Amino acid sequence: QVQLQESGPGLVKPSETLSLTCTVSGGSIGSSYWNWFRQSPGKGLEWIGYIYNSGRTEYNLSLKSRVTMSLDTSKNQFSLKLSSVTAADTAMYYCASLRAVTGTGWFDPWGQGILVTVSS
Amino acid sequence: DTQMTQSPSSLSASVGDRVTITCQASQDISNLLNWYHQKPGKAPKLLIYDASSLKAGVPSRFSGTGSGTHFTFTISSLQPEDIGTYSCQQFDNLPYTFGQGTKLEIK
Repeated sequence: QVQLQESGPGLVKPSETLSLTCTVSGGSIGSSYWNWFRQSPGKGLEWIGYIYNSGRTEYNLSLKSRVTMSLDTSKNQFSLKLSSVTAADTAMYYCASLRAVTGTGWFDPWGQGILVTVSS
Repeated sequence: DTQMTQSPSSLSASVGDRVTITCQASQDISNLLNWYHQKPGKAPKLLIYDASSLKAGVPSRFSGTGSGTHFTFTISSLQPEDIGTYSCQQFDNLPYTFGQGTKLEIK
């Protein structure tokens, strides 16, 4: 059973870079699309983007200029960097695996989430 | 972006009630619609994929129907553990988008 766990600082200063890591256990990272999401207080989920095992990425255009995702297959981890953060980036951040089948897909499982607050 | 609109935004029902949530897509997404359940303070969990397919291990009281732009999620007999927020999500096009969620409480 694949499990995901987010880690990283819970507090980031405005204008700095948010950096999070998702560790995958119970399965190989080299066999799926690995995604990041966030959920601001009281709001719906927002897809940030994914990285595939080839290193190929797709990002939400709303964040694309500030987002970088990377993969470390030796550690079975993938990472998110979001630059130039503001208070609007305060949210619960989740990682999740995308189960992609020809023409369709869904997100399962998810990590437990990590709260990141942007404040000085 | 495809906008996903859920209704109602919140609802309160009694144990044993039939509960229905709707999700409207701003464009045709075929059956590429998934439903998730999120308990307070927890991560989302997949319940239904491809509009009507129940994930293995999910109780059969949960069901989904629809295609195109209109989708429905139903709990046939509400149980106390079903509280939380239910969200729809489209997989037809990037960026993947979610409804704003329906918060379900027990009366």
